[in-house]
Amino acid sequence: DIQMTQSPPSVSASVGDTVTITCRASQFISRWLAWYQQKPGEAPKLLIYGESVLHTGVPSRFSGSGSGTEFTLTIRGLQPEDFATYFCQQANSFPLTFGGGTKVEIK
Amino acid sequence: QVHLVESGGGVVQPGGSLRLSCAASGFIFSNYAMHWVRQTPGRGLEWLALMRGDDNKKYYADSVKGRFTISRDNSKNTLYLEMNSLTSDDTALYFCAKNLDGNYGLDYWGQGSLVTVSS
Repeated sequence: DIQMTQSPPSVSASVGDTVTITCRASQFISRWLAWYQQKPGEAPKLLIYGESVLHTGVPSRFSGSGSGTEFTLTIRGLQPEDFATYFCQQANSFPLTFGGGTKVEIK
Repeated sequence: QVHLVESGGGVVQPGGSLRLSCAASGFIFSNYAMHWVRQTPGRGLEWLALMRGDDNKKYYADSVKGRFTISRDNSKNTLYLEMNSLTSDDTALYFCAKNLDGNYGLDYWGQGSLVTVSS
């Protein structure tokens, strides 16, 4: 199985900051990487797929980059509604696997 | 818009069975693969199974293979997860999710159904 390792597990930031989250795959997954946002009590929501394609309705302050085994999610100009937990997921092969999550907290 | 609603969760004894349902609307259900995913505080998000819409091919995580069965009724726009031989490790919030076209991402999720395995 492909292991997905996210870092950091948590980050404290202020409104307006830029936050970068890293996801590393244990094997080559090309650009088959998705990012999700989850708020307490809610289901995850797709943000980005194909490593850098924004899902419908996702603000442009979110961006994804990387390929192969190393990927990043960047949030530029953090907004109050962005404080949440973020997960990566490899979509390259079964079983699909998720990273452990990164909680973005208010500083 | 896409709407997914899970049902069928509850408390079940170890060794018992349960069937989850996921009612879908807002898209042509038969055209899309569908997933089941579960989440626990300790293990995070765990993908469980996928069933394709075109050829009904199924894929499973090793942790549930042979115990869980994914199925669908396209005439009812409903996805199912039959769960047998349940253990405490299966206690989780279970989500169904629609597959993204052309990619094994999950573009819309239900709100989840809680399954608790306890005596």
